[in-house]
Amino acid sequence: DTEVTQTPKHLVMGMTNKKSLKCEQHMGHRAMYWYKQKAKKPPELMFVYSYEKLSINESVPSRFSPECPNSSLLNLHLHALQPEDSALYLCASSQDPTSGANVLTFGAGSRLTVL
Amino acid sequence: GQNIDQPTEMTATEGAIVQINCTYQTSGFNGLFWYQQHAGEAPTFLSYNVLDGLEEKGRFSSFLSRSKGYSYLLLKELQMKDSASYLCAVMDSNYQLIWGAGTKLIIKP
Repeated sequence: DTEVTQTPKHLVMGMTNKKSLKCEQHMGHRAMYWYKQKAKKPPELMFVYSYEKLSINESVPSRFSPECPNSSLLNLHLHALQPEDSALYLCASSQDPTSGANVLTFGAGSRLTVL
Repeated sequence: GQNIDQPTEMTATEGAIVQINCTYQTSGFNGLFWYQQHAGEAPTFLSYNVLDGLEEKGRFSSFLSRSKGYSYLLLKELQMKDSASYLCAVMDSNYQLIWGAGTKLIIKP
C-alpha cells in the first residue's frame, strides 16, 4: 500500500460546527503532516508529527487541533472556523523526517468550505 | 530570509522541450525536490537532487548547482497531460521544506 488516504474529500461547514478531517497511511512512515493550500499558492505547513509526537506547530490558530492516535492515523479537528479557512487540506507522510531525502507522499486532500 | 523563485507561468507546445528554472536562498541545504500538481489534486513527487549534476528519469530530468543556488526541471516530448503546476522545494538545515510558489505549465497542441 503506497497511498495516503484522506476523508472526507469535500466538507462544507458552518462557523459554529465541529468536524474532523482524517488521514491514514500504511507505509510504515514515521512522520505525518498537515498542509493547507489555497488556490494558486504552494502548500503551507501546519503541523508535523514525528514518531507520533507533535514536533512542529507553525503558529496555527487553536481552532485547528491535530491528533495522532497512532503511527498510521492523523486527524485534524476543526471548530469555530472562519470563511478564510476555506482551502484544500493536504495530509502527507514520509519515512524519516530527519533525512534529507525525505520524500513526502500526499493524500488527495480534503476540500473544505466554511460558510 | 528564505526565498525560492520560479516563473509563475510558462507555455510550451506538445512534443517540444521545456525547462523550468528555480533559484533559491535558504538557511542551509539538505536537498531540492520537484513536485507536480494537477489542478485540484495533490502534489506528486518527481525528483530529488542533493549533489550537483543531472538526474534523469524518463522524460523528466532535474539539474542542480549548489554553488549557484539553482535548479531546473527539464521536460521532454511534452504531452498534454504534462499541463500542471510544478513546485520547487528546498529542504533547509532544520529539515524543513521551503516551497516555491509553483510554475503553471500550459501545453498547447
